[in-house]
Amino acid sequence: VRLVESGGGVVQPGRSLRVSCAASGFSFTSHTMHWVRQAPGKGLEWVAVISYDGINKYYADSVKGRFTISSISRDSSTNTLYLQMNSLRPEDTAVYFCARATTIADGAGLDYWGQGTLVAVSS
Amino acid sequence: QSALAQPASVSGSPGQSITISCTGTSSDVGAFSYVTWYQQHPGKVPKLIIYDVSGRPSGVSNRFSGSKSGDTASLTISGLQPEDEADYYCSSYTGTHTYVFGTGTKVTVL
Repeated sequence: VRLVESGGGVVQPGRSLRVSCAASGFSFTSHTMHWVRQAPGKGLEWVAVISYDGINKYYADSVKGRFTISSISRDSSTNTLYLQMNSLRPEDTAVYFCARATTIADGAGLDYWGQGTLVAVSS
Repeated sequence: QSALAQPASVSGSPGQSITISCTGTSSDVGAFSYVTWYQQHPGKVPKLIIYDVSGRPSGVSNRFSGSKSGDTASLTISGLQPEDEADYYCSSYTGTHTYVFGTGTKVTVL
């Protein structure tokens, strides 16, 4: 199992950015996928989740209406998770982690995490 | 979606046991048996150490144990070791298909 995020960088407030997570070694159809963020020196904050079939998507109140989670499965072992971030705010500055849930069930723990990609929102 | 409340810091001597509390509400911790705990060493990614309140993933030391009473979950580390020094976060499913993390606890091994 491998999760590799990319796409982070410095962006001005109000602008958009899309971060990606290349997942390999397992199938998205057997796991829900999450985005979790961590502001510098702060704690973890759950951001969004997408169901195993890519249909159901849920968000933290802090990003609802601004962020969109999506996924693409090219085959059973190569999948990509995305987080489209619009109307970015300085408080969105954080390392963004993609993480795999152990199963497709609600409440499942996150057993694999990527190394994270840093998004800095600043003028 | 307020963060679950954890003590900012807990400390103990090697060999001792410590307990970290995680207090939520009747809508999250109190409503579901979906409390998880993560360990995060400085500069590292979080590691799942407890799932479903008290389940322990393969490979995680049995010195880590979890429990829940009402709206409060707890993580106990027994036989504290230097490598246990890290930040610990609880998390709970909230029932509206969303999740919430705790505020985090820094564990110091004296």
